[in-house]
Amino acid sequence: SQTIHQWPATLVQPVGSPLSLECTVEGTSNPNLYWYRQAAGRGLQLLFYSVGIGQISSEVPQNLSASRPQDRQFILSSKKLLLSDSGFYLCAWSVRSGAEAFFGQGTRLTVV
Amino acid sequence: AQKVTQAQTEISVVEKEDVTLDCVYETRDTTYYLFWYKQPPSGELVFLIRRNSFDEQNEISGRYSWNFQKSTSSFNFTITASQVVDSAVYFCALSESNTGGFKTIFGAGTRLFVKA
Repeated sequence: SQTIHQWPATLVQPVGSPLSLECTVEGTSNPNLYWYRQAAGRGLQLLFYSVGIGQISSEVPQNLSASRPQDRQFILSSKKLLLSDSGFYLCAWSVRSGAEAFFGQGTRLTVV
Repeated sequence: AQKVTQAQTEISVVEKEDVTLDCVYETRDTTYYLFWYKQPPSGELVFLIRRNSFDEQNEISGRYSWNFQKSTSSFNFTITASQVVDSAVYFCALSESNTGGFKTIFGAGTRLFVKA
């Protein structure tokens, strides 16, 4: 069966520090991968999606970047965090476009 | 443009009551997909149902049922005989075919409290 792992679960980082969140999927090949951010009490905002290794599409201009170095690995990064980067970050995968997504446990990031 | 509206921010019911969560969507595409997800306090989103735009049949899964009406652009979710374990935030979402199906737009969510 397929599983998705996302870590860390919580993170407190100072303003200006770098960020690296990692997500891996098991049990499937060539998944579509997604990074979402959820602000407190709000819906999910799509940040990035990827349909293959090295293929990244960005949905909103921001201080973050994403990379997909391997088929089932998706990384969210920042060189210098801002206070506004605080939020709940969720990684997800789907078998194809338009299909349901399966989410990781999420990372709660607090930038101080 | 894609848009999903969940007008109910919070709903509070007593256990065993029925509750309906509303979802209204906007799209110019003729082929699209609708979803409902549950987010329990742990934070992880759990997939509940997917519907494509050509399938207007209502669906029932245990205590859960969904009413898809293209005429009113609505995809409402009903929980029958609610239980405390149903307490969560529920999200409705829309994915359009003309954007490749990648850009799934989520509503703001409805927080459901079920009291014992």
